Amino acid sequence: GAGVSQSPRYKVTKRGQDVALRCDPISGHVSLYWYRQALGQGPEFLTYFNYEAQQDKSGLPNDRFSAERPEGSISTLTIQRTEQRDSAMYRCASSGGSRVWYFGPGTRLLVL
Amino acid sequence: EDQVTQSPEALRLQEGESSSLNCSYTVSGLRGLFWYRQDPGKGPEFLFTLYSAGEEKEKERLKATLTKKESFLHITAPKPEDSATYLCAVQGTQGGSEKLVFGKGTKLTVNP
Repeated sequence: GAGVSQSPRYKVTKRGQDVALRCDPISGHVSLYWYRQALGQGPEFLTYFNYEAQQDKSGLPNDRFSAERPEGSISTLTIQRTEQRDSAMYRCASSGGSRVWYFGPGTRLLVL
Repeated sequence: EDQVTQSPEALRLQEGESSSLNCSYTVSGLRGLFWYRQDPGKGPEFLFTLYSAGEEKEKERLKATLTKKESFLHITAPKPEDSATYLCAVQGTQGGSEKLVFGKGTKLTVNP
């Protein structure tokens, strides 16, 4: 079926606002991952889920960042009280157990 | 802490000029080494997974090899459509996490 989708593709917000980034994984994929990618860098791990359970959140930079996947499908990454240093490309990936990660197109976040 | 270093940062080749990209890694027990291709504005696209030293995998003009300390991505007779950033990532055994640790990538440009 369709690949991993993310929305919005671009988000411009003012410092101090909250943002919610959505990831729709490939249908049937158990595992879902969030990464952040700065320009000219490789993706940096944030957190991942198996089904609805958040298994590892060690990469979340601070407590302003949170993620959920309540029904084991769509996931939301929320950033509260955004700061300029949060500006980056946020990428989602999903995996169906084959140990191949399929990445989405990303959400470009710009905090003014 | 798992680490990945890729070299060179950028590589320019003439069409048909073969070369290799390097990925050096340190990991607490290797579960897998992954190569991805990333085109501008898109998410990383899976190429190969290597699991143990001595393993090799091929796909069209690309061949990936693995030793205990590094991996090479050999590009034979490249074409302009091979131009992209190539990312290397490792998955270690520490903590049982599923996360991938990426390098910064090698930006490959193949001129016609």
